[in-house]
Amino acid sequence: EPEVTQTPSHQVTQMGQEVILRCVPISNHLYFYWYRQILGQKVEFLVSFYNNEISEKSEIFDDQFSVERPDGSNFTLKIRSTKLEDSAMYFCASSDRAPSNQPQHFGDGTRLSIL
Amino acid sequence: GENVEQHPSTLSVQEGDSAVIKCTYSDSASNYFPWYKQELGKRPQLIIDIRSNVGEKKDQRIAVTLNKTAKHFSLHITETQPEDSAVYFCAASILERGYSSASKIIFGSGTRLSIRP
Repeated sequence: EPEVTQTPSHQVTQMGQEVILRCVPISNHLYFYWYRQILGQKVEFLVSFYNNEISEKSEIFDDQFSVERPDGSNFTLKIRSTKLEDSAMYFCASSDRAPSNQPQHFGDGTRLSIL
Repeated sequence: GENVEQHPSTLSVQEGDSAVIKCTYSDSASNYFPWYKQELGKRPQLIIDIRSNVGEKKDQRIAVTLNKTAKHFSLHITETQPEDSAVYFCAASILERGYSSASKIIFGSGTRLSIRP
């Protein structure tokens, strides 16, 4: 069964540095998402992306964050000037168009640790 | 915006018994309700979903019910087994006609289900 793949599995970064989290969605999927989960808490929506543009973003997704689909297979989340509170598990998800744009399939996540 | 409340936060049941997790949502426009199971350190995995045009859906030992009027939906797991132990998240989403944009999922706070042998 095809899966969403995310790299790296664990990223450790100094506060203030920039990080790029990478995702390869399922190949025929058209809708892409990033979520985050702070340890022990619920999964929170960050941003959704379709047709080469952001569909929606949450209040968490401020100017510090950006997303990009640089080619036909990758979907990246960039976090600039990282803060301690950015430490979390970041999940990428993707979904197909037919018969609707759900369900979403999640990757294994990238655990981001800011020191 | 949409808010999804979930309870209980923890649930312990005897193996073989049933487990019920309940959720409420705030936005009456929500029309898609997935349930995800998350084992420790793993990805959320879809176990069942329901759309607002049906009131109940069943898949083997798992069933979900939806009451649109009350904005309630519930997950029922029968004949629980040790491998059912995990955190379960309910969620809600609004699917737009034509799917011209991606549809975010709003998650509940999770229920940690433990199955006692």
